[in-house]
Amino acid sequence: GESVGLHLPTLSVQEGDNSIINCAYSNSASDYFIWYKQESGKGPQFIIDIRSNMDKRQGQRVTVLLNKTVKHLSLQIAATQPGDSAVYFCADFQAGTALIFGKGTTLSVSS
Amino acid sequence: EAGVTQFPSHSVIEKGQTVTLRCDPISGHDNLYWYRRVMGKEIKFLLHFVKESKQDESGMPNNRFLAERTGGTYSTLKVQPAELEDSGVYFCASSRIRVTNTGELFFGEGSRLTVL
Repeated sequence: GESVGLHLPTLSVQEGDNSIINCAYSNSASDYFIWYKQESGKGPQFIIDIRSNMDKRQGQRVTVLLNKTVKHLSLQIAATQPGDSAVYFCADFQAGTALIFGKGTTLSVSS
Repeated sequence: EAGVTQFPSHSVIEKGQTVTLRCDPISGHDNLYWYRRVMGKEIKFLLHFVKESKQDESGMPNNRFLAERTGGTYSTLKVQPAELEDSGVYFCASSRIRVTNTGELFFGEGSRLTVL
């Protein structure tokens, strides 16, 4: 069935390191992917998106990579800061369906 | 501009009782979504309103859940009677245009429901 999942439920990094959060999806018809960040006590916040006709998209300190061959996407955070500590969700979308979220990866950044 | 607001932030009820959650979307946002996250699991879609009409309610778990958006402004989600497995955080999100064009949904802070 259709699902979006993350490889690891938790990720711990040191401040200043680069973080990579992975996500696998199963629906080859998905054509739009989004990463959300959820801080404690807050709702999910849009970080970056990518469409299936792209392999890479960059934002401020974040990069999303999409590999359609293996149905995998990743979120890279450069120079991770304590403020990046949160739960990160990938979500996918295909026309006519709702946004489907994965289970989330908790990123912990230590100083 | 005010963001998406949800009330209550936390509700603790006993099994069999009724709870009503409210969501006020950003003014002018026709699209309103309800999602739920059960402890440690993924955020699951419940339903989508476009103005006052239910566009997609395929994620509603059962008929104990009733969502309304009278007048196309705020929305309520009622759970009656509540069961233990209904515990979780209920998120509301809104967008001016459909998610087909952008995933930039604006989420509220969520209503945490605890059913004892």
